[in-house]
Amino acid sequence: AQSVTQPDIHITVSEGASLELRCNYSYGATPYLFWYVQSPGQGLQLLLKYFSGDTLVQGIKGFEAEFKRSQSSFNLRKPSVHWSDAAEYFCAVGNLYSGAGSYQLTFGKGTKLSVIP
Amino acid sequence: DVKVTQSSRYLVKRTGEKVFLECVQDMDHENMFWYRQDPGLGLRLIYFSYDVKMKEKGDIPEGYSVSREKKERFSLILESASTNQTSMYLCASSNPGTKNQPQHFGDGTRLSIL
Repeated sequence: AQSVTQPDIHITVSEGASLELRCNYSYGATPYLFWYVQSPGQGLQLLLKYFSGDTLVQGIKGFEAEFKRSQSSFNLRKPSVHWSDAAEYFCAVGNLYSGAGSYQLTFGKGTKLSVIP
Repeated sequence: DVKVTQSSRYLVKRTGEKVFLECVQDMDHENMFWYRQDPGLGLRLIYFSYDVKMKEKGDIPEGYSVSREKKERFSLILESASTNQTSMYLCASSNPGTKNQPQHFGDGTRLSIL
């Protein structure tokens, strides 16, 4: 069965500093990979996704992620963090459900990001 | 823009009550999902549906059932609510077939069982 590990429960960075959130997955085939962000009291917003092709994926709000098959990783990065980036971030892997031609998501436990002004 | 609407943001119910959580999407999506979110556990899939009147169990279906009578609406039912079902519940929808379709989420229902 697929699984997702986010090793960092909580990360604190200063505004303007760079950010990297780690994500490792376990999946037998080529994975569909996602990063979502959740602000307090809100639902999840998609930041970016990887299905195939270029291993460096650009997303919204200045985020990017790099798929590294050899390391089973899909780390999220941002060169300069803004105070509004404070939120919880979830990495997810999609498991194709052939009966529906779609996929189910397995989520990591999340990384909470705090930003120091 | 895709809109997934959950009928209640906050809900308080008593142990043993039958509880309905409603979710409506406005983009004619075929797939709909129910997750629960607990601190330190992330999101876990309860049930999903890939067509009207169809349902499939997710990772934690015990104590829950679902109903999908219309394409746009997916209901989560707690037959006899218990305190360990106090949680945040998130609904999502997506389209199959086109590989680049992500799941779109509602804002969640925070359910407290007293």
